[in-house]
Amino acid sequence: NAGVTQTPKFQVLKTGQSMTLQCAQDMNHEYMSWYRQDPGMGLRLIHYSVGAGITDQGEVPNGYNVSRSTTEDFPLRLLSAAPSQTSVYFCASSPRGLSQTYEQYFGPGTRLTVT
Amino acid sequence: AQTVTQSQPEMSVQEAETVTLSCTYDTSESDYYLFWYKQPPSRQMILVIRQEAYKQQNATENRFSVNFQKAAKSFSLKISDSQLGDAAMYFCAYRNTGNQFYFGTGTSLTVIP
Repeated sequence: NAGVTQTPKFQVLKTGQSMTLQCAQDMNHEYMSWYRQDPGMGLRLIHYSVGAGITDQGEVPNGYNVSRSTTEDFPLRLLSAAPSQTSVYFCASSPRGLSQTYEQYFGPGTRLTVT
Repeated sequence: AQTVTQSQPEMSVQEAETVTLSCTYDTSESDYYLFWYKQPPSRQMILVIRQEAYKQQNATENRFSVNFQKAAKSFSLKISDSQLGDAAMYFCAYRNTGNQFYFGTGTSLTVIP
């Protein structure tokens, strides 16, 4: 049981390049989300999904795209990288139980630098 | 939208002493869940403790306990007998019944030997 995995761990991009951050979980969780972490700003929600085929925007969605074709995978695409997207990105998953105190399980994070 | 506020960007504690990290939140819901996460330099987010809003009893996990004041919308974390391994960034988080999570901006805890 690997939990939540993210690749790559580090990435450097040039402005205007595109790339996909991969996220996978093997816990059969319905709910998955992407956050970015910036100094002094905590974790901010980019996009989330409540199940395969269903995605929605979070607090800071601009410049990012997601899809959820399977329960396991939830990739995050940067369409045209900008220096403002330099950040640490976390993928997280959780079961969709409404009556349980399920926490989110986090991946190890991806440190992205855009030059 | 719910907001979570951590008013202490940095805290320090002597080894073996007790420290309390503050968290307040804003919500109109009556049913929700609260969490404290720890993020050491490794960057991995680790759950420290959780609290259900409908429970009056404060949660405890070994040296970690919370003071949950529902009316005041306050959720502080107390770390007793602080250890060097407790040094980390601590995030308070709120989860609503729609399974959406909101995080505070974090408190950086330093443990002084």
